[in-house]
Amino acid sequence: DQQVKQNSPSLSVQEGRISILNCDYTNSMFDYFLWYKKYPAEGPTFLISISSIKDKNEDGRFTVFLNKSAKHLSLHIVPSQPGDSAVYFCAASEEGQGAQKLVFGQGTRLTINP
Amino acid sequence: DAGVTQSPTHLIKTRGQQVTLRCSPKSGHDTVSWYQQALGQGPQFIFQYYEEEERQRGNFPDRFSGHQFPNYSSELNVNALLLGDSALYLCASSFGLANEQFFGPGTRLTVL
Repeated sequence: DQQVKQNSPSLSVQEGRISILNCDYTNSMFDYFLWYKKYPAEGPTFLISISSIKDKNEDGRFTVFLNKSAKHLSLHIVPSQPGDSAVYFCAASEEGQGAQKLVFGQGTRLTINP
Repeated sequence: DAGVTQSPTHLIKTRGQQVTLRCSPKSGHDTVSWYQQALGQGPQFIFQYYEEEERQRGNFPDRFSGHQFPNYSSELNVNALLLGDSALYLCASSFGLANEQFFGPGTRLTVL
């Protein structure tokens, strides 16, 4: 029962171009979404988030788009830099549960080529 | 400003043994969550502690238990270890019910 899915295990992008990472979810009760980046031997680092009342949130080179009707979100990185090479996880949570349990996708390994 | 810290970094145990992992939250945070990350998978929620009580639990057996101390630090205990318990165990902290959780570097547990 994979409630959050990242269907692309890997993605390779040229430096300076746009990277687009995708995520789908099945639970319509999810109302908050987050993207984390993970380097080897480190814990996930929070990147950007979006509430279900918005359809876009921007922070510097990172923009997250949310399409609630399609239950789909995407992370855009522009321009892509070599330091962006990492595994990216999307995560979702459901408010009103008395705790903020994050449900993660399987991750997408992004490689930025010089 | 210290981030989330976890100890030990690596641990090797044999089947049937018990293990305790430790976590200190980021300064100012009072909520600690534990996740298990198997190879090639995303982190899976084990449980969350707030005010020294387990607030929510994921789909993990009773062999997994935890504790939160008055200083907000936390322990994860796993009894009767199985080979399938081999994973990276991540601790995350947050303030209250804030959505953004900050993760530690994890403890790599290997069960032989």
